[in-house]
Amino acid sequence: DGGITQSPKYLFRKEGQNVTLSCEQNLNHDAMYWYRQDPGQGLRLIYYSQIVNDFQKGDIAEGYSVSREKKESFPLTVTSAQKNPTAFYLCASRTSGAYNEQFFGPGTRLTVL
Amino acid sequence: EDQVTQSPEALRLQEGESSSLNCSYTVSGLRGLFWYRQDPGKGPEFLFTLYSAGEEKEKERLKATLTKKESFLHITAPKPEDSATYLCAVQAASGGYNKLIFGAGTRLAVHP
Repeated sequence: DGGITQSPKYLFRKEGQNVTLSCEQNLNHDAMYWYRQDPGQGLRLIYYSQIVNDFQKGDIAEGYSVSREKKESFPLTVTSAQKNPTAFYLCASRTSGAYNEQFFGPGTRLTVL
Repeated sequence: EDQVTQSPEALRLQEGESSSLNCSYTVSGLRGLFWYRQDPGKGPEFLFTLYSAGEEKEKERLKATLTKKESFLHITAPKPEDSATYLCAVQAASGGYNKLIFGAGTRLAVHP
């Protein structure tokens, strides 16, 4: 079955640690995205990538880093510089083309201890 | 500034009681408006895309409509399994093809 997988489902981080969230898709989509979701707020874009080896900052990129070495994979690292990392993180992808909808993975809930 | 506002924040319905959710937007050039359904602790599930005023899309008990300022998600004779948060997102010309602006969502609870 085609889809987007994220792992782990739950992640706990101690203050000062870097953690990496995994996102893999087998939909052959070119573009991939990372969002952060906080209660009572809309999804906010962290980073996006349109092609391999290229990525762009979104609205809230500070304290995060990404890589895009393969078309299928777009991991997100939450660094110790991110002041308030506790949130629900969502990965999405879409086909090339101007108006195509984004499809989302199941999400990773990150909690800072 | 491009903005998307959803109302109400929360809605409680009895099974079979039809209602509508609202998504109002102010953007510089609408490229598309998207509706998603999100269950607790899960990723959003795509429902509809609307591109131009007057367009309508239907799926089971759901019908989405679009005007120049807002979109409505009409729920006809809802069932308890329709309970979820419904998200609206807009793709604006100013944001390019990669940026969606999301509203905060409407939490819908349908009781038997």
